[in-house]
Amino acid sequence: GEDVEQSLFLSVREGDSSVINCTYTDSSSTYLYWYKQEPGAGLQLLTYIFSNMDMKQDQRLTVLLNKKDKHLSLRIADTQTGDSAIYFCSIGGGGADGLTFGKGTHLIIQP
Amino acid sequence: DAGVIQSPRHEVTEMGQEVTLRCKPISGHNSLFWYRQTMMRGLELLIYFNNNVPIDDSGMPEDRFSAKMPNASFSTLKIQPSEPRDSAVYFCASSSQGGQGNSPLHFGNGTRLTVT
Repeated sequence: GEDVEQSLFLSVREGDSSVINCTYTDSSSTYLYWYKQEPGAGLQLLTYIFSNMDMKQDQRLTVLLNKKDKHLSLRIADTQTGDSAIYFCSIGGGGADGLTFGKGTHLIIQP
Repeated sequence: DAGVIQSPRHEVTEMGQEVTLRCKPISGHNSLFWYRQTMMRGLELLIYFNNNVPIDDSGMPEDRFSAKMPNASFSTLKIQPSEPRDSAVYFCASSSQGGQGNSPLHFGNGTRLTVT
């Protein structure tokens, strides 16, 4: 089956950039997503990238996709305390299986 | 749009009792997913419906778990009898194309289940 791997924790200083990494095994995925989960809430779609793109930028967020290495990253510029959350990498386009999620990366912001 | 609505938000029950979790998907979405989240296992897909029909229930842990979708606007996940190891946050999510194409999942806020 598909496998999506993420580091469990990332700690950054407020104002610095955060880079959350994800690797996956399924090369047939057409869309790759990043979700954000704040405490006590469900997962919210943050951004996505189509598999034929290398990069997508949306304000403070930059998504990079390396299809050859099956590596996806999310960069958050000027990290703020409100960015503290769990970030999930997710891949889709596999039909009936829906989306496959990583275990999530806890982003910890240091003052 | 109100988003995906789950109830109850919290459920505390004793081992052996029946638990029913409820979900109302976003209107117009034809696919519905039930996930379970724990610290140890992360987010696990339990079951998936497309057009009210269960497509893949291979993630349902045991026969104690069952899910139904009697119509396009309502689904239930039932655990009978419940056990302490079922304690987790259960999420319902819906999408418009069943995960195909650009069809992200929209999640509810979850039901936190505690079985004592």
